[in-house]
Amino acid sequence: DVVMTQTPVSLSVSLGGQTSISCRSSQSLVHSDGNTYLYWYLQKPGQSPQLLIYKVSNRFSGVPDRFSGSGSGTDFTLKISRVEPEDLGVYYCYQGTHYPTWTFGGGTKLELK
Amino acid sequence: EVQLVETGGGLVQPGKSLKLTCATSGFTFSTAWMHWVRQSPEKRLEWIARIKDKSNNYATDYVESVKGRFTISRDDSKSSVYLQMNSLKEEDTATYYCTTGSEYWGQGVMVTVSS
Repeated sequence: DVVMTQTPVSLSVSLGGQTSISCRSSQSLVHSDGNTYLYWYLQKPGQSPQLLIYKVSNRFSGVPDRFSGSGSGTDFTLKISRVEPEDLGVYYCYQGTHYPTWTFGGGTKLELK
Repeated sequence: EVQLVETGGGLVQPGKSLKLTCATSGFTFSTAWMHWVRQSPEKRLEWIARIKDKSNNYATDYVESVKGRFTISRDDSKSSVYLQMNSLKEEDTATYYCTTGSEYWGQGVMVTVSS
C-alpha cells in the first residue's frame, strides 16, 4: 500500500499568520490517466472531514483562497495564509490514485500560538 | 443539499455482527461510487470499502484488514449504502463514515467492540 507521511504532526500559528503542511507519498501519485489524485481535508473538532483541495491544487466549492495546494509526484504542500480561528483542527492528505486501497496521511493538528 | 446519514452503530461484543446504514439525498446516488472510511480512537483515518455503480456491476473492494468479514452493499431504490460487519474485533472500534469518495461525508457513527 502507498504510505502517506505528513509533517509536522502539529503546528502552532498566530491568527493572521501563514503556515504550510507537507505530505509525501511512498509512490508517485500520478495516475495512468494523467491526473494526480491527492486531496486535502480539514477535520474540525466534533465534525467529519471536509474537503478543501482536490487533485493537488483545486479548491473545493466554498473554500477560501487562503488555502492553496501544490506539488507533484510524491511531494505535496498545503499552504494556509491569513489564518483564521475557523481554520483550526486536524488536516489530512489522502491519495486516491493507487486503486483500490486509498490511504490517508497521519494528520497535522493546527493550533493557535 | 447533499446529505449522508449513518445509523446502526453501538456497543457490540467481539465476534458479533453489526450492520451500518447510510441514507443519502441531494445527489444522483445511482451513479455514485460509495465508500466507507473509519477513524480510530487515535484519530487515524482508514479507507475500508468501496462499491461501484450498476454500470460497473456493483464491483466491491476492501482493505485487507476487513476482507472476508465486512460486506458493502447498496440499494439504489433507497439511495442507501450498507456495511455488514461480521466477526468484529476490538480493533474495529472506530467512527465509521460513509462518503462519496472525496466531496461528501456523513457525520459518522460510532462502533465500539468490547466485552
